[in-house]
Amino acid sequence: NAGVTQTPKFQVLKTGQSMTLQCAQDMNHNSMYWYRQDPGMGLRLIYYSASEGTTDKGEVPNGYNVSRLNKREFSLRLESAAPSQTSVYFCASWEQATYEQYFGPGTRLTVT
Amino acid sequence: AQSVAQPEDQVNVAEGNPLTVKCTYSVSGNPYLFWYVQYPNRGLQFLLKYITGDNLVKGSYGFEAEFNKSQTSFHLKKPSALVSDSALYFCAVRDIGAGNNRKLIWGLGTSLAVNP
Repeated sequence: NAGVTQTPKFQVLKTGQSMTLQCAQDMNHNSMYWYRQDPGMGLRLIYYSASEGTTDKGEVPNGYNVSRLNKREFSLRLESAAPSQTSVYFCASWEQATYEQYFGPGTRLTVT
Repeated sequence: AQSVAQPEDQVNVAEGNPLTVKCTYSVSGNPYLFWYVQYPNRGLQFLLKYITGDNLVKGSYGFEAEFNKSQTSFHLKKPSALVSDSALYFCAVRDIGAGNNRKLIWGLGTSLAVNP
């Protein structure tokens, strides 16, 4: 099992550019999440998907959109990147039976 | 409002000494509590959890945590620290608000440095 995978690992964007962060899990989990991690601010939830076909906003959804493409894949899109979106982005999935979240390795995004 | 607090930004401990990383919480009802660890340039990894039962929970890498309902705390402990334990540690509690059973509320993290 690969667990939770994310692409790309690193990305540099100019202000106003768009990009999509990809996430996939092979553990047959229903729920998936996108977080951003910034120094001193811990993990903040951007969007989550409780099950295939549903998505909901988290704490900091502005400037982002998501797509739950199927049970495995949950993508995060930045339509017009801003320097404030410079961060490390983590995707995670949730094991319902144990309440444990499994995290991907992260995407380090810099917006100049 | 539900919340998790990690009162220390950084904890320093000498190798071989016991370590404690503190966590307090505020939730209505019975809490589901978690500890995760993040090594440099990696994603978070699950360490241990308290759902119900024995107040002392044992987890990965020799870590344990004690649930204390009266003090609303869930401190992470290890009897003898290793340099390789140096990492960022996050405490989290399940968000039990309506429709939010699958979300966690996260602390801001505590950076643990174990000195040789």
